[in-house]
Amino acid sequence: DADVTQTPRNRITKTGKRIMLECSQTKGHDRMYWYRQDPGLGLQLIYYSFDVKDINKGEISDGYSVSRQAQAKFSLSLESAIPNQTALYFCATSDSNPSKETQYFGPGTRLLVL
Amino acid sequence: QKEVEQDPGPLSVPEGAIVSLNCTYSNSAFQYFMWYRQYSRKGPELLMYTYSSGNKEDGRFTAQVDKSSKYISLFIRDSQPSDSATYLCAMSTGNQFYFGTGTSLTVIP
Repeated sequence: DADVTQTPRNRITKTGKRIMLECSQTKGHDRMYWYRQDPGLGLQLIYYSFDVKDINKGEISDGYSVSRQAQAKFSLSLESAIPNQTALYFCATSDSNPSKETQYFGPGTRLLVL
Repeated sequence: QKEVEQDPGPLSVPEGAIVSLNCTYSNSAFQYFMWYRQYSRKGPELLMYTYSSGNKEDGRFTAQVDKSSKYISLFIRDSQPSDSATYLCAMSTGNQFYFGTGTSLTVIP
């Protein structure tokens, strides 16, 4: 089974709808991240969490919110989806041990907002 | 100025060629350096990880870090069609990660 899973894998929604993307991990990592990827712009950090009670904004947090329900679960919500939120969304995890400073990514959620 | 600069390509090479991919950066606090490979419609997968300066080799892949020049490279020897993907460089201070925009590579059989 994959270490980092994301649901749904694909989603089509309409402008104004609220949607939630979910991420689960079995790697036992403390740190979890949400990114969006757009062509030519690379990965942009939306939110990150270093443990269950820690939530931090990334570079493009406007229009998004997150919830860290447990060490293994980190969900991203779009409160009122808009077309320019159409993108590929990735969840990632990393270990807090500095000697293991790498990120592991989920398979992505492809979101289309009409 | 972006924290990490990466030439987007695209790069097209014949099978068997040596490929050189590069990134430059501006933040001297970066200590951890990574290369990810991303196939179309997939998540990035970790390819190489290096701490501080130096070289690291893994099979056909070699990662180099030159902290004095703020420059990192990934070399792929004997490139294969299965190496066709987008390659992302990434760097970390220990708390946050910064990614290049990715270089698209096509290896032609």
